[in-house]
Amino acid sequence: AQKVTQAQTEISVVEKEDVTLDCVYETRDTTYYLFWYKQPPSGELVFLIRRNSFDEQNEISGRYSWNFQKSTSSFNFTITASQVVDSAVYFCALSVPFSGGYNKLIFGAGTRLAVHP
Amino acid sequence: NAGVTQTPKFQVLKTGQSMTLQCAQDMNHNSMYWYRQDPGMGLRLIYYSASEGTTDKGEVPNGYNVSRLNKREFSLRLESAAPSQTSVYFCASTAGRHTGNTIYFGEGSWLTVV
Repeated sequence: AQKVTQAQTEISVVEKEDVTLDCVYETRDTTYYLFWYKQPPSGELVFLIRRNSFDEQNEISGRYSWNFQKSTSSFNFTITASQVVDSAVYFCALSVPFSGGYNKLIFGAGTRLAVHP
Repeated sequence: NAGVTQTPKFQVLKTGQSMTLQCAQDMNHNSMYWYRQDPGMGLRLIYYSASEGTTDKGEVPNGYNVSRLNKREFSLRLESAAPSQTSVYFCASTAGRHTGNTIYFGEGSWLTVV
């Protein structure tokens, strides 16, 4: 079975705090991709990062960093020094082959992050 | 920078009415998708079109039909809307056959069925 679990439904922090969003996935595929998307209050889905199953290096992009650990099937997302503009729902997703080799994304339920001034 | 464009953005329907959600992408992508987003459930795949001329069912296809009009356009039709179809609908596209291709989303269509 393929599944993505985001156990944290909502997180509330004060500006400048660091926050980590957890993502745990399940798949039997040896080759797969993991994604994070951001959904701000305006509603659109914004692509943040893609990571393939063979690359376990952590990635840092400005205040954002991602920790991929195959041993625990986790792909966690950390925001350093959070800002009000980071307030959004964040989705973790797993890309798997689907009927004919084309891919589809399996989404977690999302984590709503509220950053207060 | 249009990317994936979907219309309408908001719609209210009465039970039993029909409507079509339109989607177009300008990235020359082969594959297109329709997802629905419901609270606490993430996004679920309704239908997808791997390439022009083909369409297939996703996880939750009941009550919907789709048409891949050409490479750019992929529409979603509700023939007889039901309150259970109240949701946010997202159209998406990707280059094609590879699990690593990023899927790009439209801005969403908020549909309420009363």
